[in-house]
Amino acid sequence: EPEVTQTPSHQVTQMGQEVILRCVPISNHLYFYWYRQILGQKVEFLVSFYNNEISEKSEIFDDQFSVERPDGSNFTLKIRSTKLEDSAMYFCASSVGIAFFGQGTRLTVV
Amino acid sequence: AQTVTQSQPEMSVQEAETVTLSCTYDTSESNYYLFWYKQPPSRQMILVIRQEAYKQQNATENRFSVNFQKAAKSFSLKISDSQLGDTAMYFCAFMKPLPAQKLVFGQGTRLTINP
Repeated sequence: EPEVTQTPSHQVTQMGQEVILRCVPISNHLYFYWYRQILGQKVEFLVSFYNNEISEKSEIFDDQFSVERPDGSNFTLKIRSTKLEDSAMYFCASSVGIAFFGQGTRLTVV
Repeated sequence: AQTVTQSQPEMSVQEAETVTLSCTYDTSESNYYLFWYKQPPSRQMILVIRQEAYKQQNATENRFSVNFQKAAKSFSLKISDSQLGDTAMYFCAFMKPLPAQKLVFGQGTRLTINP
């Protein structure tokens, strides 16, 4: 069964460093998303991406964040200068009406 | 803006019992989708069931069924014959129709199935 895959599963980074979270969506899906879940809290929308551009972004998705689909298969989330409060589980999802989630990347900023 | 509310932070039942998780939402849209996602301790998000608002019939997937009350904006999940593997966080979510519409999640209900 096709699935969304995310790498790495866990990343530890120092405050101020740049991180790139990677996702391979399901191949025939057209809509891509990043969500964030701070430990113990609800899942929050960050950004949606369609037709090679951002469709919508939340207030969380500030200038420190960017997304890219560099080669037609990968979908990446970059955080330019990480802060302690960026520590969270980051989920990639792809959709053709039903969103399928990757297994998540646990980001720890120290 | 849409909001989703899950009023039960935690629930606990015995194995084989039936349990119902509540969800209410607020929207001015007439057409939309509702979902229940399960998040086990591994923290992966797994789709449990989906309901289209234009369908009056309640969705069912094996032991999982929903009670969709559109006028009341209520969307509860019933788990029959609960199993230990059902222990997880359950999130209710709302989505406007495509294109590229985001999911809006509730706060979640932590469900524990006891042996």
